[in-house]
Amino acid sequence: DSGVTQTPKHLITATGQRVTLRCSPRSGDLSVYWYQQSLDQGLQFLIQYYNGEERAKGNILERFSAQQFPDLHSELNLSSLELGDSALYFCASSRAGTSGRIIDNEQFFGPGTRLTVL
Amino acid sequence: QKEVEQDPGPLSVPEGAIVSLNCTYSNSAFQYFMWYRQYSRKGPELLMYTYSSGNKEDGRFTAQVDKSSKYISLFIRDSQPSDSATYLCAMSGIEGNEKLTFGTGTRLTIIP
Repeated sequence: DSGVTQTPKHLITATGQRVTLRCSPRSGDLSVYWYQQSLDQGLQFLIQYYNGEERAKGNILERFSAQQFPDLHSELNLSSLELGDSALYFCASSRAGTSGRIIDNEQFFGPGTRLTVL
Repeated sequence: QKEVEQDPGPLSVPEGAIVSLNCTYSNSAFQYFMWYRQYSRKGPELLMYTYSSGNKEDGRFTAQVDKSSKYISLFIRDSQPSDSATYLCAMSGIEGNEKLTFGTGTRLTIIP
């Protein structure tokens, strides 16, 4: 158990709908990362938040958005869903501080949310 | 061309064999190198984390990084059926706390 929790485990919805995925990082971790894993693309970075602020963006679609709350949990919002959005969505967390210690950069992944768009 | 290339396999070896998994990369900015293990329908689990070139050993696992060749390896000694999983290499830039760029993963099966 990595200490990162994600809900829900599974989500089945229809095209055009909107869903929210939730992530709680490990205790003490300030940084949250979202990744998408599909069969044809592998694991792709979407977005990173650090202590409530957006830090980096990957190939995240405009239909997708995220935020990190004061208690450091994060939500990924996916709207106007398409069939191609069906994938596993993972959240990872790290301390990502400025201590310079390598151990602070290790990213630990949650169990993922499996999204199926019908 | 992908930034990180990894042979997807599948790779099947008998129990007790030494397994060698490899990745190549093209981005010279990568400084931190990781190996994750992912069981079916589970989240990736961090196995090894290394910085720059050199070797790192942890139990039956050894990670090697050769930055001059842009080549990283993971060796598994005395392989066990429980090692059957997909192994993903991942890399990040100089600050370390950046996004990870993953290989596609190698599916490994250890045959009892």
